[in-house]
Amino acid sequence: ETGVTQSPTHLIKTRGQQVTLRCSSQSGHNTVSWYQQALGQGPQFIFQYYREEENGRGNFPPRFSGLQFPNYSSELNVNALELDDSALYLCASSPGGQGAGEKLFFGSGTQLSVL
Amino acid sequence: TQLLEQSPQFLSIQEGENLTVYCNSSSVFSSLQWYRQEPGEGPVLLVTVVTGGEVKKLKRLTFQFGDARKDSSLHITAAQPGDTGLYLCAGVPNSSASKIIFGSGTRLSIRP
Repeated sequence: ETGVTQSPTHLIKTRGQQVTLRCSSQSGHNTVSWYQQALGQGPQFIFQYYREEENGRGNFPPRFSGLQFPNYSSELNVNALELDDSALYLCASSPGGQGAGEKLFFGSGTQLSVL
Repeated sequence: TQLLEQSPQFLSIQEGENLTVYCNSSSVFSSLQWYRQEPGEGPVLLVTVVTGGEVKKLKRLTFQFGDARKDSSLHITAAQPGDTGLYLCAGVPNSSASKIIFGSGTRLSIRP
């Protein structure tokens, strides 16, 4: 059984640029959630995708957007990067749907640095 | 906005000692989860508690959900260096089960 994988592991961008982060969910999981974890903080919920549709969103501006594909993999896109976007971006998949609040299986994250 | 506050933020103790980490909120959650995160890795789920007053044990770790489902605690007995890590509580709100809310974490260091 393949776990959640994220790419790239590290990324350096400059302010104003755009970035795409990728996530492959665990086999059999149809729900993907994205979290932002700033240094020394807990993860903050960005949004969740269930069967290719957004199924809940946190307090993040529209320049944070996402996609889920038919194979349940997902992308997080961030436009017009700001310095405060520097963080660890975590993807988590779960086996159920409709935000059942069940187990989240996290990837190792993408460390984004915005200069 | 529902918030989860964890205390203490940092804890450094000697191997063999006991400790308790707290997770508090003014809001009610349908369930509460505890995760452990190591540097360079994502959080790993340790336990989910669902019923008010529920107690779950995982080897030397004891988790309790408050009667009112607003708070939780994690007690570690005879801490080991391998227990070192960031412990996160996470609540599943009644209003939006998709939006799991994390506390800011307790960074635990166990000295040999």
